[in-house]
Amino acid sequence: GNSVTQMEGPVTLSEEAFLTINCTYTATGYPSLFWYVQYPGEGLQLLLKATKADDKGSNKGFEATYRKETTSFHLEKGSVQVSDSAVYFCALVHQAGTALIFGKGTTLSVSS
Amino acid sequence: GAVVSQHPSRVICKSGTSVKIECRSLDFQATTMFWYRQFPKQSLMLMATSNEGSKATYEQGVEKDKFLINHASLTLSTLTVTSAHPEDSSFYICSARKEADTEAFFGQGTRLTVV
Repeated sequence: GNSVTQMEGPVTLSEEAFLTINCTYTATGYPSLFWYVQYPGEGLQLLLKATKADDKGSNKGFEATYRKETTSFHLEKGSVQVSDSAVYFCALVHQAGTALIFGKGTTLSVSS
Repeated sequence: GAVVSQHPSRVICKSGTSVKIECRSLDFQATTMFWYRQFPKQSLMLMATSNEGSKATYEQGVEKDKFLINHASLTLSTLTVTSAHPEDSSFYICSARKEADTEAFFGQGTRLTVV
């Protein structure tokens, strides 16, 4: 079946450090891929997305590239801030109308 | 943008009572809404898929009679936790999708505490 695997956290970084959160997926065909962010006590917000191979999603300094050959969608940011501290979820949707399938989430903690 | 509003954000109820959680799409019509449950420091577990005008589709292991879902209109779905018990305490999140769109928009979540 379809699934998403994320690197386990927590990830602890100092401000301005480089961030990578690995995400790989298993799916038939060409799913759409997403990164969502969840701040403490809140719901999920879409961070970025990519709908086809080689697409790069980007938002707020975060980037992720849809790599079909490695079935990956790693999240990166060149310089993290304390305000980026949150839980990050990688997700896929296989076809329109179906539910998102989430990874287990990665907690990021950034200290000043 | 697309906004999904979930209400209430927090609720405390006594064991044995029922609690209703509302999920509204404020500026778009959502033919499909999804209900998730999130345990502390864990991922989101899909509970059910709610389609307007038809019965919800529940995931394996989710009790239909305990978690009643009604999708009465294109902008409203409700989740009712019946005869709540402390083990039902959790964070419940809804999401809605515009027709023919893969992106899902999420509500703010509801923190349910059963005492």
